[in-house]
Amino acid sequence: GDSVTQMEGPVTLSEEAFLTINCTYTATGYPSLFWYVQYPGEGLQLLLKATKADDKGSNKGFEATYRKETTSFHLEKGSVQVSDSAVYFCALVIGGADGLTFGKGTHLIIQP
Amino acid sequence: NAGVTQTPKFRVLKTGQSMTLLCAQDMNHEYMYWYRQDPGMGLRLIHYSVGEGTTAKGEVPDGYNVSRLKKQNFLLGLESAAPSQTSVYFCASSGTSGLNEQFFGPGTRLTVL
Repeated sequence: GDSVTQMEGPVTLSEEAFLTINCTYTATGYPSLFWYVQYPGEGLQLLLKATKADDKGSNKGFEATYRKETTSFHLEKGSVQVSDSAVYFCALVIGGADGLTFGKGTHLIIQP
Repeated sequence: NAGVTQTPKFRVLKTGQSMTLLCAQDMNHEYMYWYRQDPGMGLRLIHYSVGEGTTAKGEVPDGYNVSRLKKQNFLLGLESAAPSQTSVYFCASSGTSGLNEQFFGPGTRLTVL
């Protein structure tokens, strides 16, 4: 079946550091890819998405590029802030009606 | 515009008790979903609905039932709760296609003793 693998945390960085969270996937079809973020005590919010190969999703300084050849969708940010501390989920969807398939989540902690 | 709301926010049950979780959305979305979130497991799909009066099983449907009698509401039922159903439950909705963004509710934290 379809699956998403992402680095598990916690990942601890200092403020203004460069961030990479790796995400790779296996899928039976041609997926759309997403990054969701969950702040403490809240539900998930869409951070960015990409629907076809070589698309780059971006939002709030975060970026991820859909790489079909490596089946990856790594999340990057050039300079993280304390407010970026959260759990980040990589996810995919194949069919129009199906729910998202999530990775296990990466807990990111940014220290001042 | 409330988005997706969930009732209740917290609940403690004893093994064998039943309860219903309510999800409501005010965005006129066709698609609605129930997920559970467990430590180290990410989110897993329980059931989903592609429109009023329709439901379908997801990855982990056993022990749960759902109903979508009204477009804006999606109910998740536990007929006989078990400790393995201790989890955080999230409802989500999306527009005309699951390929669009899913909007999530704030979650319900359920503990089964």
